[in-house]
Amino acid sequence: EADIYQTPRYLVIGTGKKITLECSQTMGHDKMYWYQQDPGMELHLIHYSYGVNSTEKGDLSSESTVSRIRTEHFPLTLESARPSHTSQYLCASSGRISTEAFFGQGTRLTVV
Amino acid sequence: RKEVEQDPGPFNVPEGATVAFNCTYSNSASQSFFWYRQDCRKEPKLLMSVYSSGNEDGRFTAQLNRASQYISLLIRDSKLSDSATYLCVVNWRDMRFGAGTRLTVKP
Repeated sequence: EADIYQTPRYLVIGTGKKITLECSQTMGHDKMYWYQQDPGMELHLIHYSYGVNSTEKGDLSSESTVSRIRTEHFPLTLESARPSHTSQYLCASSGRISTEAFFGQGTRLTVV
Repeated sequence: RKEVEQDPGPFNVPEGATVAFNCTYSNSASQSFFWYRQDCRKEPKLLMSVYSSGNEDGRFTAQLNRASQYISLLIRDSKLSDSATYLCVVNWRDMRFGAGTRLTVKP
Protein backbone atom coordinates (compact mmCIF):
# COMPACT_ATOMS: atom_id res chain seq x y z
CA GLU A 1 0.00 0.00 0.00
CA ALA A 2 1.20 3.48 -0.87
CA ASP A 3 1.69 5.90 2.01
CA ILE A 4 -0.19 8.82 0.57
CA TYR A 5 -3.31 10.15 2.21
CA GLN A 6 -6.02 12.55 1.21
CA THR A 7 -8.60 14.18 3.44
CA PRO A 8 -11.48 14.51 3.40
CA ARG A 9 -12.61 11.54 1.27
CA TYR A 10 -15.96 13.18 0.61
CA LEU A 11 -16.98 16.83 0.92
CA VAL A 12 -20.28 18.57 0.21
CA ILE A 13 -20.07 22.32 0.55
CA GLY A 14 -22.01 25.43 -0.38
CA THR A 15 -21.15 27.85 -3.16
CA GLY A 16 -18.72 30.59 -2.18
CA LYS A 17 -17.01 28.69 0.62
CA LYS A 18 -13.24 28.44 0.88
CA ILE A 19 -11.97 24.86 1.01
CA THR A 20 -8.62 23.15 1.37
CA LEU A 21 -8.05 19.58 0.25
CA GLU A 22 -5.24 17.90 2.14
CA CYS A 23 -2.62 15.54 0.74
CA SER A 24 0.25 14.01 2.69
CA GLN A 25 2.83 11.37 1.84
CA THR A 26 5.37 9.65 4.06
CA MET A 27 7.59 8.27 1.31
CA GLY A 28 9.90 11.30 1.11
CA HIS A 29 8.94 11.86 -2.52
CA ASP A 30 10.04 15.13 -4.08
CA LYS A 31 7.38 15.27 -6.79
CA MET A 32 3.71 15.72 -6.00
CA TYR A 33 0.72 16.21 -8.29
CA TRP A 34 -2.93 17.15 -8.23
CA TYR A 35 -5.29 15.74 -10.85
CA GLN A 36 -8.97 16.41 -11.46
CA GLN A 37 -11.18 13.65 -12.82
CA ASP A 38 -14.88 13.67 -13.61
CA PRO A 39 -16.69 10.28 -13.55
CA GLY A 40 -15.73 8.13 -16.53
CA MET A 41 -13.48 10.85 -17.90
CA GLU A 42 -9.73 11.32 -18.16
CA LEU A 43 -7.36 12.71 -15.53
CA HIS A 44 -6.36 16.34 -15.95
CA LEU A 45 -3.16 17.63 -14.33
CA ILE A 46 -3.95 20.85 -12.48
CA HIS A 47 -0.85 21.44 -10.33
CA TYR A 48 2.49 19.83 -9.62
CA SER A 49 5.58 20.41 -7.52
CA TYR A 50 9.21 19.33 -7.81
CA GLY A 51 9.93 19.93 -4.15
CA VAL A 52 9.67 22.43 -1.32
CA ASN A 53 8.77 25.95 -2.50
CA SER A 54 8.22 24.70 -6.07
CA THR A 55 4.76 24.77 -7.66
CA GLU A 56 3.69 24.70 -11.30
CA LYS A 57 0.34 24.88 -13.07
CA GLY A 58 -0.75 21.96 -15.19
CA ASP A 59 -2.76 21.89 -18.38
CA LEU A 60 -6.23 22.37 -17.01
CA SER A 61 -7.13 25.95 -16.23
CA SER A 62 -7.89 25.87 -12.55
CA GLU A 63 -9.08 28.40 -10.03
CA SER A 64 -7.30 26.50 -7.30
CA THR A 65 -3.93 27.21 -5.71
CA VAL A 66 -1.36 24.96 -4.05
CA SER A 67 1.56 25.34 -1.68
CA ARG A 68 4.55 23.16 -0.83
CA ILE A 69 6.07 24.33 2.43
CA ARG A 70 7.02 20.82 3.57
CA THR A 71 8.10 17.85 1.48
CA GLU A 72 5.33 15.64 2.75
CA HIS A 73 2.43 18.06 2.42
CA PHE A 74 0.78 19.46 -0.74
CA PRO A 75 -2.60 21.09 0.01
CA LEU A 76 -4.94 22.41 -2.68
CA THR A 77 -7.15 25.43 -1.94
CA LEU A 78 -10.26 26.77 -3.63
CA GLU A 79 -10.90 30.34 -2.45
CA SER A 80 -14.54 30.36 -3.54
CA ALA A 81 -16.14 27.04 -4.43
CA ARG A 82 -18.58 26.87 -7.35
CA PRO A 83 -20.76 24.04 -8.69
CA SER A 84 -18.36 23.74 -11.66
CA HIS A 85 -15.69 22.59 -9.17
CA THR A 86 -17.69 19.45 -8.44
CA SER A 87 -15.35 16.59 -9.32
CA GLN A 88 -12.91 14.06 -7.91
CA TYR A 89 -9.48 15.40 -6.95
CA LEU A 90 -6.59 12.92 -6.89
CA CYS A 91 -3.21 13.60 -5.33
CA ALA A 92 -0.11 11.63 -6.32
CA SER A 93 3.59 11.57 -5.56
CA SER A 94 6.70 10.12 -7.16
CA GLY A 95 10.37 9.83 -6.40
CA ARG A 96 13.13 10.09 -9.00
CA ILE A 97 12.03 10.58 -12.58
CA SER A 98 12.01 6.89 -13.44
CA THR A 99 9.74 5.83 -10.64
CA GLU A 100 6.01 5.47 -10.79
CA ALA A 101 3.45 7.76 -9.18
CA PHE A 102 1.43 6.60 -6.20
CA PHE A 103 -2.08 7.93 -5.75
CA GLY A 104 -4.16 8.79 -2.74
CA GLN A 105 -7.74 7.55 -2.62
CA GLY A 106 -9.08 10.90 -3.81
CA THR A 107 -11.47 13.53 -2.52
CA ARG A 108 -14.95 13.62 -4.03
CA LEU A 109 -16.07 17.23 -3.91
CA THR A 110 -19.65 18.35 -4.45
CA VAL A 111 -20.45 22.06 -4.47
CA VAL A 112 -24.12 22.84 -4.07
CA ARG B 1 -2.45 17.72 -30.05
CA LYS B 2 -2.53 15.85 -26.73
CA GLU B 3 0.78 14.77 -25.23
CA VAL B 4 -0.43 11.21 -24.74
CA GLU B 5 -3.00 9.62 -27.05
CA GLN B 6 -4.62 6.21 -26.60
CA ASP B 7 -7.02 4.00 -28.53
CA PRO B 8 -10.46 5.42 -27.70
CA GLY B 9 -12.09 2.04 -27.02
CA PRO B 10 -14.15 0.66 -25.44
CA PHE B 11 -12.98 -2.90 -25.95
CA ASN B 12 -15.51 -5.66 -25.25
CA VAL B 13 -13.91 -9.09 -25.46
CA PRO B 14 -14.78 -12.64 -24.38
CA GLU B 15 -12.83 -14.39 -21.65
CA GLY B 16 -9.64 -15.91 -22.98
CA ALA B 17 -9.20 -13.35 -25.74
CA THR B 18 -5.98 -11.49 -26.46
CA VAL B 19 -6.33 -7.73 -26.52
CA ALA B 20 -3.83 -5.02 -27.44
CA PHE B 21 -3.81 -1.37 -26.45
CA ASN B 22 -1.80 1.29 -28.22
CA CYS B 23 -0.51 4.65 -27.09
CA THR B 24 1.54 7.42 -28.71
CA TYR B 25 3.30 10.34 -27.05
CA SER B 26 4.47 13.64 -28.48
CA ASN B 27 7.42 14.61 -26.28
CA SER B 28 10.58 12.89 -27.50
CA ALA B 29 12.36 13.90 -24.27
CA SER B 30 10.05 11.67 -22.21
CA GLN B 31 12.08 9.44 -19.97
CA SER B 32 9.87 6.85 -18.37
CA PHE B 33 6.69 5.08 -19.32
CA PHE B 34 4.02 3.12 -17.48
CA TRP B 35 0.70 1.39 -17.81
CA TYR B 36 -1.78 2.01 -15.02
CA ARG B 37 -5.09 0.36 -14.30
CA GLN B 38 -8.08 2.22 -12.91
CA ASP B 39 -11.17 0.46 -11.60
CA CYS B 40 -14.49 2.25 -11.48
CA ARG B 41 -14.50 5.02 -8.84
CA LYS B 42 -11.03 4.06 -7.62
CA GLU B 43 -7.61 5.68 -7.91
CA PRO B 44 -5.20 4.58 -10.68
CA LYS B 45 -2.69 1.91 -9.72
CA LEU B 46 0.51 0.88 -11.43
CA LEU B 47 0.13 -2.16 -13.68
CA MET B 48 3.66 -2.21 -15.04
CA SER B 49 6.56 -0.05 -16.12
CA VAL B 50 7.55 -0.11 -19.78
CA TYR B 51 11.16 -0.62 -20.82
CA SER B 52 12.83 -0.16 -24.19
CA SER B 53 13.67 -3.86 -24.38
CA GLY B 54 10.05 -4.82 -23.76
CA ASN B 55 8.91 -6.54 -20.60
CA GLU B 56 6.47 -9.18 -19.53
CA ASP B 57 4.59 -9.82 -16.31
CA GLY B 58 2.53 -12.98 -16.49
CA ARG B 59 -0.20 -12.45 -19.07
CA PHE B 60 0.81 -8.82 -19.66
CA THR B 61 3.45 -7.66 -22.14
CA ALA B 62 4.51 -4.05 -22.61
CA GLN B 63 6.55 -2.67 -25.47
CA LEU B 64 8.16 0.70 -26.13
CA ASN B 65 9.34 2.06 -29.45
CA ARG B 66 11.20 5.31 -28.80
CA ALA B 67 11.81 6.02 -32.50
CA SER B 68 8.07 5.93 -33.22
CA GLN B 69 7.11 7.29 -29.78
CA TYR B 70 4.75 4.39 -29.35
CA ILE B 71 3.83 2.20 -26.37
CA SER B 72 1.73 -0.93 -26.34
CA LEU B 73 0.16 -3.31 -23.85
CA LEU B 74 -0.85 -6.86 -24.71
CA ILE B 75 -3.11 -8.88 -22.45
CA ARG B 76 -3.29 -12.61 -23.15
CA ASP B 77 -5.95 -15.04 -21.94
CA SER B 78 -8.05 -12.20 -20.58
CA LYS B 79 -10.00 -12.74 -17.34
CA LEU B 80 -13.21 -11.17 -16.08
CA SER B 81 -11.08 -9.42 -13.44
CA ASP B 82 -9.13 -7.61 -16.17
CA SER B 83 -12.17 -5.40 -16.80
CA ALA B 84 -10.99 -1.85 -16.04
CA THR B 85 -9.70 1.28 -17.71
CA TYR B 86 -6.06 1.10 -18.81
CA LEU B 87 -4.06 4.31 -18.75
CA CYS B 88 -0.87 5.02 -20.65
CA VAL B 89 1.49 7.30 -18.68
CA VAL B 90 4.51 9.23 -19.84
CA ASN B 91 6.94 10.96 -17.50
CA TRP B 92 9.26 13.82 -18.27
CA ARG B 93 8.92 16.93 -16.11
CA ASP B 94 5.54 15.71 -14.93
CA MET B 95 3.33 12.63 -15.17
CA ARG B 96 1.02 12.79 -18.18
CA PHE B 97 -1.88 10.38 -18.46
CA GLY B 98 -3.67 9.29 -21.60
CA ALA B 99 -7.45 9.41 -21.63
CA GLY B 100 -7.61 5.67 -20.97
CA THR B 101 -9.07 2.71 -22.80
CA ARG B 102 -11.94 0.88 -21.17
CA LEU B 103 -11.83 -2.92 -21.32
CA THR B 104 -14.79 -5.15 -20.54
CA VAL B 105 -14.17 -8.89 -20.48
CA LYS B 106 -17.38 -10.92 -20.78
CA PRO B 107 -18.07 -14.55 -19.88
